[in-house]
Amino acid sequence: DGGITQSPKYLFRKEGQNVTLSCEQNLNHDAMYWYRQDPGQGLRLIYYSQIVNDFQKGDIAEGYSVSREKKESFPLTVTSAQKNPTAFYLCASTMGQGVHKVLHFGNGTRLTVT
Amino acid sequence: AQSVTQLDSQVPVFEEAPVELRCNYSSSVSVYLFWYVQYPNQGLQLLLKYLSGSTLVESINGFEAEFNKSQTSFHLRKPSVHISDTAEYFCAVSDNSNYQLIWGAGTKLIIKP
Repeated sequence: DGGITQSPKYLFRKEGQNVTLSCEQNLNHDAMYWYRQDPGQGLRLIYYSQIVNDFQKGDIAEGYSVSREKKESFPLTVTSAQKNPTAFYLCASTMGQGVHKVLHFGNGTRLTVT
Repeated sequence: AQSVTQLDSQVPVFEEAPVELRCNYSSSVSVYLFWYVQYPNQGLQLLLKYLSGSTLVESINGFEAEFNKSQTSFHLRKPSVHISDTAEYFCAVSDNSNYQLIWGAGTKLIIKP
């Protein structure tokens, strides 16, 4: 079955450490996205990529970095510069570009930094 | 800029009762509207969407939403809820100024037996 795989499901890190969250899709989708979800808030866009080797900052990119070396992979690194990294992180993809496209989500990674 | 308001953070309702989850957005300029559902410890999945045409849209599991341009609303309704509808529901609206989706804060639907 096609879908988006995020790993790991739970991740624990000490403050000051960088951590990379994995996102892989086998839907052959062009665009991929990283969102952050905090309790009582909607989703906030961190980064998105519409094509391999290209990506753009979203609304809350500070303290995060991404790469898009392959169409199917879009890893997110949470750096030590991110002031409040504990959150639920969601990766998504769309076939093609455009704000009317349906987002397909992975099951998320819950990051806890202490 | 576009904004989305989901007034209710939680909606408790008895099983088999009707429910309405409210969504209002700020701009009446041409928009696309979505409802996504998130079951516990999972990602989101599309429930239904309005892009154009009929203002009443339906999902396969009995939910419906009506696009009301004059009231800038896209409320989600179901005539009879089931325990399996327990989830968090997110309304999202396109922002044609920067081609992004703007998300509401979500409404948790709590089904009481």
